[in-house]
Amino acid sequence: QSVLTQPPSTSGTPGQRVSISCSGSSSNIGSNGVNWYQQVPGMAPKLLIYSNNQRPSGVPDRFSGSKSGTSGSLAISGLQSDDEAEYYCAAWDDSLNGHVVFGGGTKLTVL
Amino acid sequence: QVQLQESGPGLVKPSETLSLTCTVSGGSISSTSYYWSWIRQSPGKGLEWIGSMYYTGRTYSNPSLKSRVTISLDTSKNQFSLKLSSLTAADTAVYYCARGFTIFGVVTMVGWFDPWGQGTLVTVSS
Repeated sequence: QSVLTQPPSTSGTPGQRVSISCSGSSSNIGSNGVNWYQQVPGMAPKLLIYSNNQRPSGVPDRFSGSKSGTSGSLAISGLQSDDEAEYYCAAWDDSLNGHVVFGGGTKLTVL
Repeated sequence: QVQLQESGPGLVKPSETLSLTCTVSGGSISSTSYYWSWIRQSPGKGLEWIGSMYYTGRTYSNPSLKSRVTISLDTSKNQFSLKLSSLTAADTAVYYCARGFTIFGVVTMVGWFDPWGQGTLVTVSS
């Protein structure tokens, strides 16, 4: 059972816009930023969004992030076939002397 | 650009201690901006943060693993290491090392991870 809650799966067709939610609590997302990672099967995770809505250089602006209260959200517009991957959210949690928590991951299928 | 590479045994026996090393190239582990981190992923499962160490020695660990985890830095070799003791089959996973960012200069938190090493599969079995 992950501390951050994500839907196990979502899907979309090419060109569509999809969103993935990440629900936390006051000690993690409610107090700190949300970060998002993309993991293609067989590969290491890659940073997609940091501090709620910041994109590292090289990440297309089709990817965007937001936060409201104790929930974060990742949006992907203009869906492409190579966006098919697992997406994880993560945040710093202030409880128990501080630790990093991850969501359970959301499998995005491009139909 | 910074690159990380894990190394260590692929097979470890139950009850033993796992030792992994991450070699960092293209940047110094003595930097004031980063936490040097370990994250693992059990087969078919999600990501689990293990722990992170700052160059001063400040360390944060997963509360569920804390008693078994030791992270250390070797600045002379620009490497950092993970020791995980009392292994069981549940510790079978791909282990990743990663560079963690302090959150806008605040060194009492670990932010995002970038980049990651390619990962190394560790199997715990007799």
